[in-house]
Amino acid sequence: GAGVSQSPSNKVTEKGKDVELRCDPISGHTALYWYRQSLGQGLEFLIYFQGNSAPDKSGLPSDRFSAERTGGSVSTLTIQRTQQEDSAVYLCASSSHPQGTGVGNEQFFGPGTRLTVL
Amino acid sequence: SQQGEEDPQALSIQEGENATMNCSYKTSINNLQWYRQNSGRGLVHLILIRSNEREKHSGRLRVTLDTSKKSSSLLITASRAADTASYFCATAPSGSSNTGKLIFGQGTTLQVKP
Repeated sequence: GAGVSQSPSNKVTEKGKDVELRCDPISGHTALYWYRQSLGQGLEFLIYFQGNSAPDKSGLPSDRFSAERTGGSVSTLTIQRTQQEDSAVYLCASSSHPQGTGVGNEQFFGPGTRLTVL
Repeated sequence: SQQGEEDPQALSIQEGENATMNCSYKTSINNLQWYRQNSGRGLVHLILIRSNEREKHSGRLRVTLDTSKKSSSLLITASRAADTASYFCATAPSGSSNTGKLIFGQGTTLQVKP
C-alpha cells in the first residue's frame, strides 16, 4: 500500500474487555514500532519489531499488553482486561531501519487507533 | 523515560512570521527528527538530522543540532496558516540497543493566524 494503515480508526470498549489493534506497515519495511499517545502527552514507545521478532518490548506498560507480527508484515497489538488508563491513541510506524546499524531512518506513521475505555 | 523537552509548549504567531521551536535531550543520540501532527492523529516526518551534522534545510524548514548542549531547534520561515499543528522532536538514542526507536518530546503547539 501507499502508507501505513491501522484499524479500527476508533474503538470504544468497556472496562475489562480485550481489544485488538491492527497495523499494516509499508510493504518491504522490516522495522515496525508501536507508540501510545495519551491525552495531552507526547508519544510513548511501546514495542519494536524487526521482521517477526520483538527485540525491544521495554515500553509495554504491563503484562496485559502483547503484540505479534506475522509474515514480516501485519502486526497486532492486544490489550487484555482493558482499564480506563489504557485510553489513548495507539500509533504504529514502520521504517526501513536495518537492525544493528545504529543509524536509524525516518519512521512512517499510520493514522492511529483512538481507544476509549469506558 | 522522556528524552526530549521542548519549548515553548505553545506558540502563536501571525502568518508570514518565523516560528522557532527548541528541543533538549538527555543522552547520546544517533539522530534527531522532527515530526508534525495535525488533529492529534498520524505524524508526518519533517526532517532528520544525524549526530554528526550541525544544520539541515528542507524548504522553509531549518534544523540545527548542538550535541555539546544536547539541543536542537526547528525554524519555520514565512509561516502559513496551514503550518498550524503540533511539532515534536524525537531522538534515536545511541547505544547497544540500536533499535531505531524514537523518544519523543512533549511537543510544541503552533498556531499561525491568517
